[in-house]
Amino acid sequence: ETGVTQSPTHLIKTRGQQVTLRCSSQSGHNTVSWYQQALGQGPQFIFQYYREEENGRGNFPPRFSGLQFPNYSSELNVNALELDDSALYLCASSFGLAVTDTQYFGPGTRLTVL
Amino acid sequence: AQSVTQLDSHVSVSEGTPVLLRCNYSSSYSPSLFWYVQHPNKGLQLLLKYTSAATLVKGINGFEAEFKKSETSFHLTKPSAHMSDAAEYFCVVSDGYSSASKIIFGSGTRLSIRP
Repeated sequence: ETGVTQSPTHLIKTRGQQVTLRCSSQSGHNTVSWYQQALGQGPQFIFQYYREEENGRGNFPPRFSGLQFPNYSSELNVNALELDDSALYLCASSFGLAVTDTQYFGPGTRLTVL
Repeated sequence: AQSVTQLDSHVSVSEGTPVLLRCNYSSSYSPSLFWYVQHPNKGLQLLLKYTSAATLVKGINGFEAEFKKSETSFHLTKPSAHMSDAAEYFCVVSDGYSSASKIIFGSGTRLSIRP
């Protein structure tokens, strides 16, 4: 059973640029959630995709967008990068939408915005 | 509105001694509560979860937590610390059915283990 993988591991961008982060969900999982973890803080929920549709969204502006593909892998896109977007971005996959369904997290992508 | 407070940002214990990581929550409904562990350069891993069944929840690696509604607490304990327990621990609360609804992570507690 393959776990959740994310790419790239690290990324450096400059303010105003756009970035795409990728996540491959665990085999058999149809739900992917994205989180932003700023340094020294707990993760914050960005949004969730279920069977290629956005299922819920946290308090993040529209320049944060995503996609889920038929194989349930997912992308997080961030436009017009700001310095405060520097963070660890985590994706988590699960089988189902219930909060009690265990989410399996990837190791994250560390984004630095200069 | 729901919230979660981890009362200690850093806890240091000696190897072989008990671990106590404290978590208080606030929720309008019957919450689901979780503890996750994050080792450096690794993803978050679920330790245990409470979902309105037994109030004493046993998790992996010898950890357990007790849901106390009267105290709005969900403290994480382990009888004997091991060096491999050194990591960041997060308490999480959710009062919705869907995993997309109002999942709130605490700010984390860093656990250090002294030899």
